[in-house]
Amino acid sequence: LAKTTQPISMDSYEGQEVNITCSHNNIATNDYITWYQQFPSQGPRFIIQGYKTKVTNEVASLFIPADRKSSTLSLPRVSLSDTAVYYCLVGGALSGGYNKLIFGAGTRLAVHP
Amino acid sequence: AAGVIQSPRHLIKEKRETATLKCYPIPRHDTVYWYQQGPGQDPQFLISFYEKMQSDKGSIPDRFSAQQFSDYHSELNMSSLELGDSALYFCASSLEGEVKAGPYEQYFGPGTRLTVT
Repeated sequence: LAKTTQPISMDSYEGQEVNITCSHNNIATNDYITWYQQFPSQGPRFIIQGYKTKVTNEVASLFIPADRKSSTLSLPRVSLSDTAVYYCLVGGALSGGYNKLIFGAGTRLAVHP
Repeated sequence: AAGVIQSPRHLIKEKRETATLKCYPIPRHDTVYWYQQGPGQDPQFLISFYEKMQSDKGSIPDRFSAQQFSDYHSELNMSSLELGDSALYFCASSLEGEVKAGPYEQYFGPGTRLTVT
């Protein structure tokens, strides 16, 4: 699995757009980029996943440049309830129960009123 | 929609005792993963099962064992408990048997908080 680097913490205010960038210089050709969100004392929650270009769902957008050495998770108009730890994970698509999640140090996002 | 169920939600044990944690995956999901999250730490992968067979193993102590049963529920058995085993234990399930399911898209349960005294 490729090593990832992301900010330790970020602060924002309600209503703002938040962009969290993750660096993964050693990403392999068949690696996917996946983001999870975790609230205190709760299990991580899958947010979004992409391979290249841009992916958007009802929660967030994921921007991936052509070289795929980084990616940016974009949260539009955050609210207090978006305060959580956000993890960026990179890994190849395996099968048969080998897609374990390797969590590195995530980004602690604090949203203020 | 049905989610991953874990039981018990809280468990208090003494050192050297045994604990059994249970996980009921989302119906039709074929893969179960177990993770441990210590206080202030990131989740760590322990073990996984695909179609009732152990598939992958992480930093799981020899004192721990796990299995997946015919109904796809899984149990994590922990013996000779130590103070350092105090943590949140999460089970996650996924559907890896279908192409349309994205890799690394796992659904986590609420966790079992184990406290060893």
